[in-house]
Amino acid sequence: KNEVEQSPQNLTAQEGEFITINCSYSVGISALHWLQQHPGGGIVSLFMLSSGKKKHGRLIATINIQEKHSSLHITASHPRDSAVYICAVNARSNTGNQFYFGTGTSLTVIP
Amino acid sequence: DGGITQSPKYLFRKEGQNVTLSCEQNLNHDAMYWYRQDPGQGLRLIYYSHIVNDFQKGDIAEGYSVSREKKESFPLTVTSAQKNPTAFYLCASRPQFGENQPQHFGDGTRLSIL
Repeated sequence: KNEVEQSPQNLTAQEGEFITINCSYSVGISALHWLQQHPGGGIVSLFMLSSGKKKHGRLIATINIQEKHSSLHITASHPRDSAVYICAVNARSNTGNQFYFGTGTSLTVIP
Repeated sequence: DGGITQSPKYLFRKEGQNVTLSCEQNLNHDAMYWYRQDPGQGLRLIYYSHIVNDFQKGDIAEGYSVSREKKESFPLTVTSAQKNPTAFYLCASRPQFGENQPQHFGDGTRLSIL
């Protein structure tokens, strides 16, 4: 059983489309993170959320704590958005905070 | 610029050989982490360190060892006891363990068996 589930696993979109990636989690959290992994493997942190909504450029992240669900939206998608998007949660545990990671959503944006 | 440097980017290991992956950070972060990434799986925690001269096993520590002699350095040794070492290894850090802060990641090392 995975503490963090993402959907879809793979996503192909035409340039300009609106994209949504979903993340559900089953543990108590103090924060949720959206990460972007480029084809070379490096990972960049996009958002850290504990409530509500955050926006950065064409990216929007929302979280519903009661439903244990978060979404990452990309407006006006572009081929340079092609990457793997990973949802991670900072979960409360007996030893302090622990990170759990989803398996990622591989996004390909076609020109 | 501050960041995390992992080296080498690609590494090949012969059967029965130990190899060490380097991770250096100049962010003055206390906490450092090693993760393993396999296709179709989320990142899995190998070892983590909250502070110099202290480290803890993660979920998949068997066959690996680490040291934390300096704040900026957290090398990972993949020993011959690790029977399936082929994977992508990521090092991360953040200012302090237990704080709600994002992790900063290196660019990773891809390890393959010859």
